[in-house]
Amino acid sequence: AQSVTQLDSQVPVFEEAPVELRCNYSSSVSVYLFWYVQYPNQGLQLLLKYLSGSTLVKGINGFEAEFNKSQTSFHLRKPSVHISDTAEYFCAVSAPRGAQKLVFGQGTRLTINP
Amino acid sequence: DAGVIQSPRHEVTEMGQEVTLRCKPISGHDYLFWYRQTMMRGLELLIYFNNNVPIDDSGMPEDRFSAKMPNASFSTLKIQPSEPRDSAVYFCASGGLGTEAFFGQGTRLTVV
Repeated sequence: AQSVTQLDSQVPVFEEAPVELRCNYSSSVSVYLFWYVQYPNQGLQLLLKYLSGSTLVKGINGFEAEFNKSQTSFHLRKPSVHISDTAEYFCAVSAPRGAQKLVFGQGTRLTINP
Repeated sequence: DAGVIQSPRHEVTEMGQEVTLRCKPISGHDYLFWYRQTMMRGLELLIYFNNNVPIDDSGMPEDRFSAKMPNASFSTLKIQPSEPRDSAVYFCASGGLGTEAFFGQGTRLTVV
């Protein structure tokens, strides 16, 4: 079974500052890793995913994440945030192959202050 | 493609009433998932289907919950009878083999 821990429930940052949202996972098998974003009253939208290959993954809206197998982490980063990045961010894992049966972390609320 | 379509977007019902949530997955996707989101428990997988067949319903909280997928383009999640603790946002998602899951906008259910 897999589990995901998002280490920060809330992260406030100033506009144009860099941000890192932390995610650690636990699994007895190799995994696929995902970051989703949820804007208020919206569904979840995929930011980026790691399936295999390069450990540095680039996604939409200038976000990137790095898969670190030894530390079982998949932290999300953006060098300069914008007000429009205010949202809830979810890290998720699934077993490779078959259904993308996602196990989600509890989410991190990113608040951008002007 | 219009994406995953859920209806209704909002539902307010009285305790004891039957509630039916609907989902139209993305055409060509052969997996369909139902998730529930609450403040206390976050996002939980309730059930998922592959090629219209329920594969894993271990997340369905009680017998009051049931889900069906009569064809590749439609699924329902039914709660009968509904209770206030069922109040949550219910998401439907669909995906194909090796692709990520695409989520609908969700149905916000309030049981009073």
